[in-house]
This record gives sequence, C-alpha cells and structure tokens, in this order.
Amino acid sequence: SQTIHQWPATLVQPVGSPLSLECTVEGTSNPNLYWYRQAAGRGLQLLFYSVGIGQISSEVPQNLSASRPQDRQFILSSKKLLLSDSGFYLCAWTTGALGSQPQHFGDGTRLSIL
Amino acid sequence: QKEVEQNSGPLSVPEGAIASLNCTYSDRVSQSFFWYRQYSGKSPELIMSIYSNGDKEDGRFTAQLNKASQYVSLLIRDSQPSDSATYLCAVSFMDSNYQLIWGAGTKLIIKP
Repeated sequence: SQTIHQWPATLVQPVGSPLSLECTVEGTSNPNLYWYRQAAGRGLQLLFYSVGIGQISSEVPQNLSASRPQDRQFILSSKKLLLSDSGFYLCAWTTGALGSQPQHFGDGTRLSIL
Repeated sequence: QKEVEQNSGPLSVPEGAIASLNCTYSDRVSQSFFWYRQYSGKSPELIMSIYSNGDKEDGRFTAQLNKASQYVSLLIRDSQPSDSATYLCAVSFMDSNYQLIWGAGTKLIIKP
C-alpha cells in the first residue's frame, strides 16, 4: 500500500531563516505531488505541484520554492522566511490524470515564524 | 461568487440524526468532486469521490452531485460524536488545469 511521510511535524523558525520541508511517498511510481498551505480556519491553498522529476509548477508568487530531485521526493524551501509564511503545510500525492483521482495527504508540518 | 463555497458553521446535529453538508461551486467546467474530513490539528482524509450526477453511497455517507445547479452535498446518517470535524469540499475545474479548488470547510459538531 502507498504511504506518505512528511517531516518535521512542528517547526518554529525566526524571521529571515531558511526552510526545508521534505515529503516522500512509498508504494507508487511517478506520482503527482503537491504542496499546500492552510491558514487557520481557511481552505487549502495550492503552492506547487509536480508531475515528474524536475517538473515544478508554481501556483502563487511567494518567497517559497519547490524541488523534486527524485521520483517520490518533494521538497519545499525558502531562503528567508517571512511572518506571513506561518501556517500548516501539507504534502499530498495522487496518480493518474490531474484532477481525476483523490489526493492523499501527509500528516503536515505546523510552521510558526517568530 | 467564490469558486467553491461552504457554510463555515458550526453545524450542530444531535447524535443519531442525519447531518447534511453543502457545497456550491462556480459555473465552470468541472470534472471531479471530493469530500474530506479534517480533525482539528490533523491533515484532511478522503471520505468520498463523486464524478457524475446523482447519489453515491458508502456506508453511512452519501454524496449527492447536481451539476446543473452546481452543488455537491454530503449526508452523514446515524451521526456519531466521532464525526465531529471540519468537512472540506474540493472540485477540479478544467480551466484551472484540473487542480483541486478547496472550500474553506464546514465545522460539524455532533452532540451526544
């Protein structure tokens, strides 16, 4: 069966510090991978998605970036965090054509910026 | 009109009753519809997928889709306290490259 691992679970970082969140998927090949951010009481905002190694699509302008160095690995990064980057970050995977299958989520990372 | 709208609630339902959750979406070509449950502090988990007009049942859950009226609903029969959570609706639209657009969620409280 497929599993998704996301870490760390919580993170407290000072403004201006760098960020690296990692997500890996097991039990499937060539998944579509996603990074979302969820603000308190809000829906999910799509940040990045990837349909293959090295292929990254950005949905909103921000100081974040994403990379996919391996088929089942997706990394979210920032060189300098802003206060507005606080939130609940979720990695998700799916297979098949975009939008045709449900997405499955990791446990998320709660990021607080001080 | 927002792309995907849900009443934020909270919706309070007595234990054992039917909970009815609604989601409306904008008039765009849509493909797939999903309901997720999210407990406080946790990640969303899939409850139901529905792709064509009509009803789809899975245990105590029934999803209803009406594309002409642009709404999708979720019914929970025999509601249990463990059903208390926020329920998220997600829709994929063709002109968004089929990426999921999410509602803000409805908070459901089941009262014992």
